[in-house]
Amino acid sequence: QQKVQQSPESLSVPEGGMASLNCTSSDRNFQYFWWYRQHSGEGPKALMSIFSDGDKKEGRFTAHLNKASLHVSLHIRDSQPSDSALYFCAARDTGNYKYVFGAGTRLKVIA
Amino acid sequence: EAAVTQSPRNKVAVTGGKVTLSCNQTNNHNNMYWYRQDTGHGLRLIHYSYGAGSTEKGDIPDGYKASRPSQENFSLILELATPSQTSVYFCASGDREEQYFGPGTRLTVL
Repeated sequence: QQKVQQSPESLSVPEGGMASLNCTSSDRNFQYFWWYRQHSGEGPKALMSIFSDGDKKEGRFTAHLNKASLHVSLHIRDSQPSDSALYFCAARDTGNYKYVFGAGTRLKVIA
Repeated sequence: EAAVTQSPRNKVAVTGGKVTLSCNQTNNHNNMYWYRQDTGHGLRLIHYSYGAGSTEKGDIPDGYKASRPSQENFSLILELATPSQTSVYFCASGDREEQYFGPGTRLTVL
């Protein structure tokens, strides 16, 4: 079983709608979390990080972390066709710089 | 902007052959990583490095070797390539905050 699990596997939302992506860790040593976005044919790029409980907002993107439940989410408001991509959740513990990625959520924004 | 380059971008190899994938970064990051990406598995860590001369095993190191001869360069070596190693390989460099990925190498082992 993967240490970082993402849901759903795929998601379609209308342009202007809200997309919600979820990530759950099975390792309590993971303290730091990132969301990465990968467009087709490119390498992943970091969207945002979240290290503390609560919400972190950057433009249209809001991440939420609950360390007690090992759950992190990403919410994209006013979704745009350019947001269509594969989104990865990544986690790291405090002891090293080794990252674990989830299997990804494929988001499609329908114009 | 942070820059990570990979070569080759595409490679076709024969079973049993030796394959070397190269990665160069101009970010002056100490940490570098090799991942493979397969549908349903996301990104899986093969090897990583904390600096020149160091290599560490990731989660799926079997069948792969790594070499970090300098701060800028990190290579992934498949001594005896097998069809199960057909995949897209990504190199990344990183600091405490995030990783910067290269464009990927598509490897096909026939």
